Amino acid sequence: AQSVTQPDIHITVSEGASLELRCNYSYGATPYLFWYVQSPGQGLQLLLKYFSGDTLVQGIKGFEAEFKRSQSSFNLRKPSVHWSDAAEYFCAVGALGSYIPTFGRGTSLIVHP
Amino acid sequence: NAGVTQTPKFQVLKTGQSMTLQCAQDMNHNSMYWYRQDPGMGLRLIYYSASEGTTDKGEVPNGYNVSRLNKREFSLRLESAAPSQTSVYFCASSDWDRAVGYTFGSGTRLTVV
Repeated sequence: AQSVTQPDIHITVSEGASLELRCNYSYGATPYLFWYVQSPGQGLQLLLKYFSGDTLVQGIKGFEAEFKRSQSSFNLRKPSVHWSDAAEYFCAVGALGSYIPTFGRGTSLIVHP
Repeated sequence: NAGVTQTPKFQVLKTGQSMTLQCAQDMNHNSMYWYRQDPGMGLRLIYYSASEGTTDKGEVPNGYNVSRLNKREFSLRLESAAPSQTSVYFCASSDWDRAVGYTFGSGTRLTVV
């Protein structure tokens, strides 16, 4: 069965600093990988996805993520964080034919001015 | 704007009352889903519909029923609400055959008293 681990429950960064949110997955075949963001009181919005091809994926809002098969990781990065990036971030893994991705428990990002 | 529309946005029910949460998507996605989100529990899948005409149980189906009315609409019914069903409910749609990740609705905040 597939699983996703987001090791950090909370991350605090200063505005303008770089950001890396960690995501590790467990799945036997090539996974589909996603990052979602949830602002308070809102639904989840897709930031980026990996299905195949280039392992460095660019998303919306200046985010990127890199699929590293050898490390079973799909970490999310942003070079310079803005106060509006404060939110909950979810990593998810899916599989061809599965229809149901597995979500991590989420990482709460706090941005200090 | 294209997307997933959920109604209502807020609802308060008394224990034992019934209600139906409505969800509609206009992206021609094949699959639709209902999740609940509770503090510390992440997203939990209630029911899903991989394609029109099919529905399947997810992780926490007890106390709920669903109807895939057509390709666009997927409703969630609480027959006899209980306080344990107080939660935020999200509908989502996707199309794995077209490598499309989830699109989420903005959620329904349900309180059962």
